[in-house]
Amino acid sequence: AQSVTQLDSQVPVFEEAPVELRCNYSSSVSVYLFWYVQYPNQGLQLLLKYLSGSTLVESINGFEAEFNKSQTSFHLRKPSVHISDTAEYFCAVSESAGKSTFGDGTTLTVKP
Amino acid sequence: EAGVAQSPRYKIIEKRQSVAFWCNPISGHATLYWYQQILGQGPKLLIQFQNNGVVDDSQLPKDRFSAERLKGVDSTLKIQPAKLEDSAVYLCASSLEQSEQYFGPGTRLTVT
Repeated sequence: AQSVTQLDSQVPVFEEAPVELRCNYSSSVSVYLFWYVQYPNQGLQLLLKYLSGSTLVESINGFEAEFNKSQTSFHLRKPSVHISDTAEYFCAVSESAGKSTFGDGTTLTVKP
Repeated sequence: EAGVAQSPRYKIIEKRQSVAFWCNPISGHATLYWYQQILGQGPKLLIQFQNNGVVDDSQLPKDRFSAERLKGVDSTLKIQPAKLEDSAVYLCASSLEQSEQYFGPGTRLTVT
């Protein structure tokens, strides 16, 4: 069975500071990995995904995540955050057939 | 293209009452998912459809929850009778390829 652990439930940072949201997973087979973002009162939106190939994946708004198979991690990073990045971030893993297992989320709060 | 549509957005009912949620996926998406998201937790898969067939309903409490996707397009999730612990956001998602999911805005259910 697959599982996802998001190591920090809340991450407060100041604007323009770097941030890392940590995600570890467990699975016995090859996986697809995802980060979703949920802004207040909105649905989940895909931020970035790892399916195969390069282990470093990037989003259009400056986030990146690196798949580390040996450490079974998929941490999300951004070198300089904005107020508008305040949201809940969910890491998810999928083995096959589209079924995804989600972590419990990390609330990122960017302060001015 | 239009996104995943869900209705209603909010619902308040008393325990032991019944409730139904509706989802219309993105046009052409064969796979449809229903998730339950309890406050402070990540989404948990309730049921997955491929066209009008059930792929996975292992986490669906079948004594009170039911779901259908009769024509392989839109879907209905029903709870009867509702319990206090059913208070959550019910998310519908759809996918074309069995990896990346697109989520609707969710229905927030409060059971009193």
